[in-house]
Amino acid sequence: AAGVIQSPRHLIKEKRETATLKCYPIPRHDTVYWYQQGPGQDPQFLISFYEKMQSDKGSIPDRFSAQQFSDYHSELNMSSLELGDSALYFCASSLVRGPQGIATNEKLFFGSGTQLSVL
Amino acid sequence: DAKTTQPTSMDCAEGRAANLPCNHSTISGNEYVYWYRQIHSQGPQYIIHGLKNNETNEMASLIITEDRKSSTLILPHATLRDTAVYYCIVSYNDMRFGAGTRLTVKP
Repeated sequence: AAGVIQSPRHLIKEKRETATLKCYPIPRHDTVYWYQQGPGQDPQFLISFYEKMQSDKGSIPDRFSAQQFSDYHSELNMSSLELGDSALYFCASSLVRGPQGIATNEKLFFGSGTQLSVL
Repeated sequence: DAKTTQPTSMDCAEGRAANLPCNHSTISGNEYVYWYRQIHSQGPQYIIHGLKNNETNEMASLIITEDRKSSTLILPHATLRDTAVYYCIVSYNDMRFGAGTRLTVKP
């Protein structure tokens, strides 16, 4: 079965540079989530999109932005990178609303993550 | 404020049942209890979820108290590959990870 695909797997950037992370959700999933996990920390929710509209916002810095495109893939754009942005970035997808738009349960499927290193 | 409280760490002998507790005393009526685990630096993996009733699947069982203020995840026959951080999450469109339990399964 198709899983959530994230690219790139590894990314090395310098301070003040920009980075773009991509996420391809499981086909027919309607919601995408982004999480940041620093070394030794728990995943922190950044932002989510439902049917291409932002649905929830967590601790996402103003330097970061994200969007979901018409083909449902999502991109996390990070500017003015700082050393503290070095982390694993996970994308997840879920099918929140089933047939007839009825809300179902949030069972998230995670990608393998992008390891961002800021030097 | 954290919605859930879990032990920081637990050990379990291989082949024995692992019982992981979670307190969620402020849970709302429409919030579900979800359990995920994260093995090393892999993406978190869904295990099970429930609303009121106890649930069982091929991976685990979930026992939710009648007042829904706490729950227990049961891995019936733990293996070394079950060593991971286990997260209990209370959510209704609000999937936030707190501090999980690091479970170590020992030979």
